This record gives sequence, C-alpha cells and structure tokens, in this order.
Amino acid sequence: QKEVEQDPGPLSVPEGAIVSLNCTYSNSAFQYFMWYRQYSRKGPELLMYTYSSGNKEDGRFTAQVDKSSKYISLFIRDSQPSDSATYLCAMRSRTGRRALTFGSGTRLQVQP
Amino acid sequence: EAGVAQSPRYKIIEKRQSVAFWCNPISGHATLYWYQQILGQGPKLLIQFQNNGVVDDSQLPKDRFSAERLKGVDSTLKIQPAKLEDSAVYLCASSRAGDETQYFGPGTRLLVL
Repeated sequence: QKEVEQDPGPLSVPEGAIVSLNCTYSNSAFQYFMWYRQYSRKGPELLMYTYSSGNKEDGRFTAQVDKSSKYISLFIRDSQPSDSATYLCAMRSRTGRRALTFGSGTRLQVQP
Repeated sequence: EAGVAQSPRYKIIEKRQSVAFWCNPISGHATLYWYQQILGQGPKLLIQFQNNGVVDDSQLPKDRFSAERLKGVDSTLKIQPAKLEDSAVYLCASSRAGDETQYFGPGTRLLVL
C-alpha cells in the first residue's frame, strides 16, 4: 500500500463547476500538507500549504485536512479552463525524515 | 526573480551510457532538491542539499546515481550507467532555508533505450 493515495482521474468538469480533489494517507506522523499544480511539461508549483488539521482558503481554492480520517481535500470554485492541469498532494512529517511524499496526481480538465 | 534553470530539457541515451543534468537554483536559495518523476507518478526525492552539504540522500540509488553541489550554488546529477527504468523527468527545486515553499524547474526528460 502506498503512503499517499490519489485518484489519477482524469476528472472532466464544465467551466464554472466546483471541483473536489482528494488524497488519503496512512502515515499518522504527517503534519504538513500541500497541494501542487503541474501543467504539462512544467515543474509543479505550490498552490496551498496547511499545517495540521483545519481549513485554509485562498481565492477560489480551499484546502481541508481531516487528520482523524487521514484525508485531505482541495476544492476549486468557479473552475476555469486555465485550471486544467495535474494536481498533486504532498505531505511530510514534522520530525524525523522531512522529505515530501507526493501522491501520484489527479489530472483535471475543465471544459469551456 | 529568475526561476530554477535546468539543462538539458531532453535527453535520449542507450542503456549503460552515462548522463548528467545541471541545475541552477534561484539566487539566495540555500536548499536544493533533485526529484525523479516517473510517468503517472508523483515526484520522488532523490537528494536534498543544504548549501553544499547533503541533508537527505536515503532514496538515491548510490550504485549508479551521484550528485554534487559545489560552492553551494549549481548542482549536477549524474547517472552511470543508465538503466531502462531510469526513464523519467528529473526535477530540480530550491527553497530558502527553513521555508516550506519549493520552486521547481521545468525538468529534464530522460529516455533510456
């Protein structure tokens, strides 16, 4: 079993839809949670960063962390064709080995 | 602010050959990372440098992969000899010391035939 599981998609939605992207994880030591966006043939770019549990909002993006369920989500409101990309979740521990563990990514297509 | 630069962008080699990748991080970023991203997977950390010292190389296949960061700025990653399963995108990232935000370069796409 992988430490971080993510549905690969593709997820296809119409423009303006609310998108929900999710990851589950097995390592209870993970404390830092991130979402990266990766356009085709580009490097990932950090979208959202959350420490421990709770919600964080930034414009059209909301990140949620539920540590009791080992489940994190990224919501995109009013999705745009420019949001079409692969979304990667990543997480790491606070102590010990602090390298990021990435999910495999969910490919999102927003249809105009 | 210039981003992370990587070269070459693409490389095709035959198995058992050697290959080297170069990375120039964002100016002033003390931490440099090399990741391997196999098609359909998330990036996997190969090695992390803090200035010119190695912080984490636990997932670097040291029998064939090597990396260095001379003078704490540019870095090179070498594979010698390459195997078919090394076909992947090699991403370099950098961050300020103690900052969670990693800035990624465009990657080098390696195909081993």
